[in-house]
Amino acid sequence: KAGVTQTPRYLIKTRGQQVTLSCSPISGHRSVSWYQQTPGQGLQFLFEYFSETQRNKGNFPGRFSGRQFSNSRSEMNVSTLELGDSALYLCASSLQGFSSYNEQFFGPGTRLTVL
Amino acid sequence: DQQVKQNSPSLSVQEGRISILNCDYTNSMFDYFLWYKKYPAEGPTFLISISSIKDKNEDGRFTVFLNKSAKHLSLHIVPSQPGDSAVYFCAASDNNAGNMLTFGGGTRLMVKP
Repeated sequence: KAGVTQTPRYLIKTRGQQVTLSCSPISGHRSVSWYQQTPGQGLQFLFEYFSETQRNKGNFPGRFSGRQFSNSRSEMNVSTLELGDSALYLCASSLQGFSSYNEQFFGPGTRLTVL
Repeated sequence: DQQVKQNSPSLSVQEGRISILNCDYTNSMFDYFLWYKKYPAEGPTFLISISSIKDKNEDGRFTVFLNKSAKHLSLHIVPSQPGDSAVYFCAASDNNAGNMLTFGGGTRLMVKP
């Protein structure tokens, strides 16, 4: 079974631009979550989607948004990029959405560099 | 306010010995705990989990212990192997918050041959 895939793997943008990252979950998984990893803040939850609905949102500004499609694929968008948005963005998928008692499987991440 | 803490940023262990990684949490609503292993520039890899109704879960060389009264969990790796060298994250979730995971800051484990 293929794992979680994320595209692109690396991205370089300049301040003020916007970016869209894509995530394809494991086949059959309906929940997709996004996380940001930075050296200073560690791994932080951005948001979770289940059946095309955002279920939870972390403490990030409105510049960070996402969506999920009917095939469970998800995209996240960051508008008006800032230097501090440079990070590894990780997507995780899990089978269920109604219980926390299930493992989440992470993709390799997208390394975003903002210049 | 860090709800999940890994107080040891690094740990060095000899090959064949036991590695013990610790994690503390403050939110009493957390009811499911996971350990992930991470290499640089890769996503975390799931290792083992435990629900709050248990105090121990074992999978091969990996055992996780949960002490709810102390709000403490630990990951034991026996025997440690050089390939175990990585950053280990503990994570916690609350059943009322869907799949949102709260991560600790990570512990870098180095297993020396």
